[in-house]
Amino acid sequence: DAKTTQPNSMESNEEEPVHLPCNHSTISGTDYIHWYRQLPSQGPEYVIHGLTSNVNNRMASLAIAEDRKSSTLILHRATLRDAAVYYCILRGIQGAQKLVFGQGTRLTINP
Amino acid sequence: DTAVSQTPKYLVTQMGNDKSIKCEQNLGHDTMYWYKQDSKKFLKIMFSYNNKELIINETVPNRFSPKSPDKAHLNLHINSLELGDSAVYFCASSQARPNRGGDGTQYFGPGTRLLVL
Repeated sequence: DAKTTQPNSMESNEEEPVHLPCNHSTISGTDYIHWYRQLPSQGPEYVIHGLTSNVNNRMASLAIAEDRKSSTLILHRATLRDAAVYYCILRGIQGAQKLVFGQGTRLTINP
Repeated sequence: DTAVSQTPKYLVTQMGNDKSIKCEQNLGHDTMYWYKQDSKKFLKIMFSYNNKELIINETVPNRFSPKSPDKAHLNLHINSLELGDSAVYFCASSQARPNRGGDGTQYFGPGTRLLVL
């Protein structure tokens, strides 16, 4: 599984946008970019995923670089409930379906 | 109407004991997983079952034995518990990949916090 690199931690203020970066320079053509988050004392939670085009859902937006070597998870208006560890994960369509978690980015939201 | 549930939520036991953790999903998914999150918060896959068949078996001691009686259940039995088994164990489920009608998104349970004394 290709590796991803994320900052260990980020901090933002409530009601401001947050941009969480992820580098994945060894991504293959069939790898999907998935984002999960883990709130304190809870299981991981799916956020969004994409392949080549930018994606939007009710939780967030995913901006994917043209060369696909990096992506950015965008929380448009952060709330205190968005404080969590955010994981950027690559998943291919072949082989096993496991998720390979890195250390993720711990996001702190200031009131 | 919990999607993925685990029992028990907390488990405190002595070294050497045998214990089981149960997982149930009501999402109609065909694939279930066990992950372990250690004290340093790293999440690692342990096992995965697809339609009751073991498809992923990472390097896990033989003391850990998963069992899937049907597609909706995946249990984890641990023999001869050791101090290093203390961790949070998460169950997850998904529907198989796009070529089988699913997108592979995994849904996680709330976790079972195991403490071995």
